[in-house]
Amino acid sequence: DVKVTQSSRYLVKRTGEKVFLECVQDMDHENMFWYRQDPGLGLRLIYFSYDVKMKEKGDIPEGYSVSREKKERFSLILESASTNQTSMYLCASSPPSQSTEAFFGQGTRLTVV
Amino acid sequence: GQNIDQPTEMTATEGAIVQINCTYQTSGFNGLFWYQQHAGEAPTFLSYNVLDGLEEKGRFSSFLSRSKGYSYLLLKELQMKDSASYLCAVLDSNYQLIWGAGTKLIIKP
Repeated sequence: DVKVTQSSRYLVKRTGEKVFLECVQDMDHENMFWYRQDPGLGLRLIYFSYDVKMKEKGDIPEGYSVSREKKERFSLILESASTNQTSMYLCASSPPSQSTEAFFGQGTRLTVV
Repeated sequence: GQNIDQPTEMTATEGAIVQINCTYQTSGFNGLFWYQQHAGEAPTFLSYNVLDGLEEKGRFSSFLSRSKGYSYLLLKELQMKDSASYLCAVLDSNYQLIWGAGTKLIIKP
C-alpha cells in the first residue's frame, strides 16, 4: 500500500517557536508538496520540490522554509511560529508526470498559542 | 486571477443521485481533478479529466466542458459513507494545481 506519512497528527506550539513538520513517502516519487488547508479556502501551496535538494516557492511561502535532503523526505519549517499559522498542513507526493494523481498524508493539525 | 468555484455545502438523501458542480477560470488548462476528503483525513483521488466528455467509474462519474470552464462530479446510489468534502482542482498552464474550497456533501437517511 502506497504511503505518505506525516510525523504528527496534532501539534500545539507557542508563538515564536521553531516548528518542524516531517513528511516521508515510500513511493520513490520525485515531486513533493506542502499545502495548508483552512476552512472556506482551497488548498494553498506553500512549497514544492521536484528533486532532492531542490525547492520552489508556492503561493504562500512567507514564514516557512523547507528541506529535502533525501528523496523520500520533505520537511516544512516554521522559523518563528505565529498564531496565523494555526492550520491543517498536508504533505503530498506524485510522480514526475503532472497529470497523475497526488498522494496525500493524513495531515498535521497545528495550533499556535 | 485564477478562480475555482464550487458550492460550499450540499445535502442529499441516501440512495439518490447528486451532482457537484465546479467552474473554473485559470491561466491555461492541463486537466481537472476531483478528490474526496473525509473529515480529518487525507484527500484521495477520484478522477482526472483532460478531454471533454463524461468519464464513468462505478457509482462516480466526472464530466468536463473545456469551452465552458465547467466540470461536475456525479454520485449515484448515494451511501452514508459518501458524506465527505469533494475537492475540484485544475492544472494550469504552469502545471500548478489550483484548488477549489471544496463542497461538503451531507447524506441523510
